[in-house]
Amino acid sequence: GAVVSQHPSWVICKSGTSVKIECRSLDFQATTMFWYRQFPKQSLMLMATSNEGSKATYEQGVEKDKFLINHASLTLSTLTVTSAHPEDSSFYICSAKVRAEVTGELFFGEGSRLTVL
Amino acid sequence: GDSVTQMEGPVTLSEEAFLTINCTYTATGYPSLFWYVQYPGEGLQLLLKATKADDKGSNKGFEATYRKETTSFHLEKGSVQVSDSAVYFCALSGTSGSRLTFGEGTQLTVNP
Repeated sequence: GAVVSQHPSWVICKSGTSVKIECRSLDFQATTMFWYRQFPKQSLMLMATSNEGSKATYEQGVEKDKFLINHASLTLSTLTVTSAHPEDSSFYICSAKVRAEVTGELFFGEGSRLTVL
Repeated sequence: GDSVTQMEGPVTLSEEAFLTINCTYTATGYPSLFWYVQYPGEGLQLLLKATKADDKGSNKGFEATYRKETTSFHLEKGSVQVSDSAVYFCALSGTSGSRLTFGEGTQLTVNP
């Protein structure tokens, strides 16, 4: 099946620094990738939809200058948390849609746990 | 808009017990329906899916049937194992197939 890999799987950073999380589709081309945020014991909150070669579409309430998303190729999307603060600590999960997949099935990365001190 | 409602958790069962996790949805048209499972500290894995009414998705002993008349997609397993302990998410994809809408998730704990 399709494999999506995230890196790093966990990261600890100081307040005020920026952190980049990568999401790669390893064996397929992903025209669309999605970034989610998950708080403990809660469901996934969609942050943004990223299409290869175009600007990401952010959900209401998500600061696009805070969470920079780049989807420069068909196999890589990145999420950069800029000037991170403790309230940005969370589990970030990416998912990818296989080109021509019509059912809407998504393949998920392993998640990246961010802790901001 | 589209929405998914799951039964509230957490659910705690003994090994070999029968499992049902209810899921109902609201959507226009004919969505695709999914169950995803999340093990501790990991991302989500597709457990099963159904793309049209009356379809039954099945995998690893889990089953769910797409019931359009009751707008439901309940997850069932006849005999749970300790290794089934995880969070289960019901989700739907609208007719455009462009994004998933998730339920709140149900934490399942199976005790030996």
